[in-house]
Amino acid sequence: AQKVTQAQTEISVVEKEDVTLDCVYETRDTTYYLFWYKQPPSGELVFLIRRNSFDEQNEISGRYSWNFQKSTSSFNFTITASQVVDSAVYFCALRKTSGTYKYIFGTGTRLKVLA
Amino acid sequence: DTEVTQTPKHLVMGMTNKKSLKCEQHMGHRAMYWYKQKAKKPPELMFVYSYEKLSINESVPSRFSPECPNSSLLNLHLHALQPEDSALYLCASSSRAMREPDNEQFFGPGTRLTVL
Repeated sequence: AQKVTQAQTEISVVEKEDVTLDCVYETRDTTYYLFWYKQPPSGELVFLIRRNSFDEQNEISGRYSWNFQKSTSSFNFTITASQVVDSAVYFCALRKTSGTYKYIFGTGTRLKVLA
Repeated sequence: DTEVTQTPKHLVMGMTNKKSLKCEQHMGHRAMYWYKQKAKKPPELMFVYSYEKLSINESVPSRFSPECPNSSLLNLHLHALQPEDSALYLCASSSRAMREPDNEQFFGPGTRLTVL
């Protein structure tokens, strides 16, 4: 069975704090893709990152960084020096490499960054 | 132009009405998707069009009828909806066919639908 767990339903931080959003996934596939999307109040999901299962290198993009650990089936997302504009719901998703290839989304983490 | 647009932004309809949601992208993408998202839930896939043909229907009730008139446009026709169909309806597109798992989807802002 495929499953994505985002145990943190809601997180509140004060601006400039660092925050980590957790994502744990389950799959029996050896090859798969992991994604993070951001959904601000305006509604659209904004693509942030894609990672394939063979690439365990961590990635940094500005204030965003991702830590992929296959050994613990986790793909965590850290925002450094958070800003109010980071307030959104963040979804982690898994995608198989066979079958319908549809996203298996986690339930999302609502991040509130307070000024 | 890296945008997916959706109209209308908000729609209120009665259970006997017929309405349509529209989605447009000009990125040359060949796969387009409809999702339904209830409050505090992740999006749920409804339909996938690949190269303008319906590729996937996730067992959606027939009161939802998708249409892809051309490679840039995607419609969702609504008829005889129920109050539980009230949700945010998101359109998305991706550059290659849906069955390529590594290509990310680009989402529109959604239509917030209320069925009275």
